[in-house]
Amino acid sequence: AQKITQTQPGMFVQEKEAVTLDCTYDTSDPSYGLFWYKQPSSGEMIFLIYQGSYDQQNATEGRYSLNFQKARKSANLVISASQLGDSAMYFCAMREGPNNAGNMLTFGGGTRLMVKP
Amino acid sequence: DTEVTQTPKHLVMGMTNKKSLKCEQHMGHRAMYWYKQKAKKPPELMFVYSYEKLSINESVPSRFSPECPNSSLLNLHLHALQPEDSALYLCASSHSGLRSTDTQYFGPGTRLTVL
Repeated sequence: AQKITQTQPGMFVQEKEAVTLDCTYDTSDPSYGLFWYKQPSSGEMIFLIYQGSYDQQNATEGRYSLNFQKARKSANLVISASQLGDSAMYFCAMREGPNNAGNMLTFGGGTRLMVKP
Repeated sequence: DTEVTQTPKHLVMGMTNKKSLKCEQHMGHRAMYWYKQKAKKPPELMFVYSYEKLSINESVPSRFSPECPNSSLLNLHLHALQPEDSALYLCASSHSGLRSTDTQYFGPGTRLTVL
């Protein structure tokens, strides 16, 4: 079974509007971390935001926030006030366990976001 | 500073060539990673070095040979590659590779084409 599922292969959003990118995960480990990365066409994977499984509050970083619903095992990324430069591929990733040797990440299949002017 | 650098940015090589990809970080991180990414797919982990020792080799063919000369540098030596090895090769680093809060920071990647 897929550990990280991103159900939206592609999305459009109007410039200056907010957009939510979906991510659901599957783990039986009580300790895990969830990450979102942005990958523009240039190729670099840019770290955006992190949410720990024990964090009480949803993570926020500037225009990015993470809507963490632990019971539903979802960790959706919300981008507010979209900009043209937000057009990119977005990956959700999970790291399981407190002693995960090698810090192995499991990635979802990605969502391509296109911002319309 | 969360910068990881990779050289070269682009590489074209023949199947009989020997080449190397280089990665460098100056964040004091002790874990470094090589990933392979095909078009429209997520990155796939190839190797992990933790404290300069190879800790994970994800069943990668021997034509890929990693090397970690010191805690700041990571190389990937390429020899007798196949056209299907053409991909984006990403390097990443993280604090220690052991903590659940460790964040991996990626470099810009090397786009490799094997003819």
